[in-house]
Amino acid sequence: GQNIDQPTEMTATEGAIVQINCTYQTSGFNGLFWYQQHAGEAPTFLSYNVLDGLEEKGRFSSFLSRSKGYSYLLLKELQMKDSASYLCAVMDSNYQLIWGAGTKLIIKP
Amino acid sequence: GAVVSQHPSRVICKSGTSVKIECRSLDFQATTMFWYRQFPKKSLMLMATSNEGSKATYEQGVEKDKFLINHASLTLSTLTVTSAHPEDSSFYICSARDLAGGFYEQYFGPGTRLTVT
Repeated sequence: GQNIDQPTEMTATEGAIVQINCTYQTSGFNGLFWYQQHAGEAPTFLSYNVLDGLEEKGRFSSFLSRSKGYSYLLLKELQMKDSASYLCAVMDSNYQLIWGAGTKLIIKP
Repeated sequence: GAVVSQHPSRVICKSGTSVKIECRSLDFQATTMFWYRQFPKKSLMLMATSNEGSKATYEQGVEKDKFLINHASLTLSTLTVTSAHPEDSSFYICSARDLAGGFYEQYFGPGTRLTVT
């Protein structure tokens, strides 16, 4: 079956760095997405990786290793507004998104 | 960037009534739209995939007669929850995919919170 695993909850301090991991097993691979979702709101797109390596976009970076079925989202210089759930999703061979359960990130002052 | 709107944002209805939720892509043509359901503190659950001009493809366990999906144009898909019951109360989110650029990002609508009393 298809499976996406990510930690349920993480806590970090304002100004620090946090890494949210995601491992996946899917039928085929057409890219991995990270989305941010604040409570009561729809997800917003953060990043897309289809090749191995690190993609940097401001304070956020995303890494992918296809051979290991592994990705991480790195958030630097954490701000209180970064408190949200972070969803990892993999696009399978049918171009369907398979979603992880999300990681709730709590930022403390 | 691409914008998807959803209407209404919140709806409260009585048990037994039907509710229609609209999802529109405002500045692009969406050949494919997706309907998700999300329970509190849970991840997104795909309900169905809707392709313009054809019948929706429902995920296992989703009743097609209860959740009617119509994708009549390249910019509009509707989800009708028929004979709603309290257990249908949830956050419903649509998303749209624009393949014109060859990129498979899904753009999400703001969601509709349905409460059935």
